[in-house]
Amino acid sequence: DVKVTQSSRYLVKRTGEKVFLECVQDMDHENMFWYRQDPGLGLRLIYFSYDVKMKEKGDIPEGYSVSREKKERFSLILESASTNQTSMYLCASSSAGRGFWSLSEAFFGQGTRLTVV
Amino acid sequence: AQTVTQSQPEMSVQEAETVTLSCTYDTSESDYYLFWYKQPPSRQMILVIRQEAYKQQNATENRFSVNFQKAAKSFSLKISDSQLGDAAMYFCAYRTTGTASKLTFGTGTRLQVTL
Repeated sequence: DVKVTQSSRYLVKRTGEKVFLECVQDMDHENMFWYRQDPGLGLRLIYFSYDVKMKEKGDIPEGYSVSREKKERFSLILESASTNQTSMYLCASSSAGRGFWSLSEAFFGQGTRLTVV
Repeated sequence: AQTVTQSQPEMSVQEAETVTLSCTYDTSESDYYLFWYKQPPSRQMILVIRQEAYKQQNATENRFSVNFQKAAKSFSLKISDSQLGDAAMYFCAYRTTGTASKLTFGTGTRLQVTL
């Protein structure tokens, strides 16, 4: 079974702290994604990565950065946490391209509920 | 930019009945993937069904089926014989093909299943 693991299920941080959210997948997937989920807004893409050290901005990258030094790990970084970054964060991974159509779906971690106080 | 719209924030269905969740999307691509994901209270996102745009036949997975209208850019989910375990948030998602393919979600529909 594909497994996507996020380092924390719940996290409480103080305003101004640097926050790291870690995500690890075990299926050798090329693509990895970070989303935030807020009521009424659905899942909004923050960043995604299609290869090691490669990243693309999503729809709401402001205030976030990412790191992908190894294929299996994709980190989301909040450089200076603010209260408006209180949210549910979801990581996902998937294989790439038409040749792997049967695996084109994304597999998700269990989510990290981050509260910034 | 691709967008996915789910116009029904909440839906309710009686057990054993059928319900249809709506989804429309906007794209200039001709080839892409469409998905419906379910998120129960446990928060774990689960794939319900998927459709590849070049396939004209509507996908079916047991009690779940889609009505894919490519020209209208519509992708609705039909749940037959609804069960209490179907109660969840349902998200429609769109993905481009290719190496750096984004995965875009709608805002979700909360489905309640009543006795």
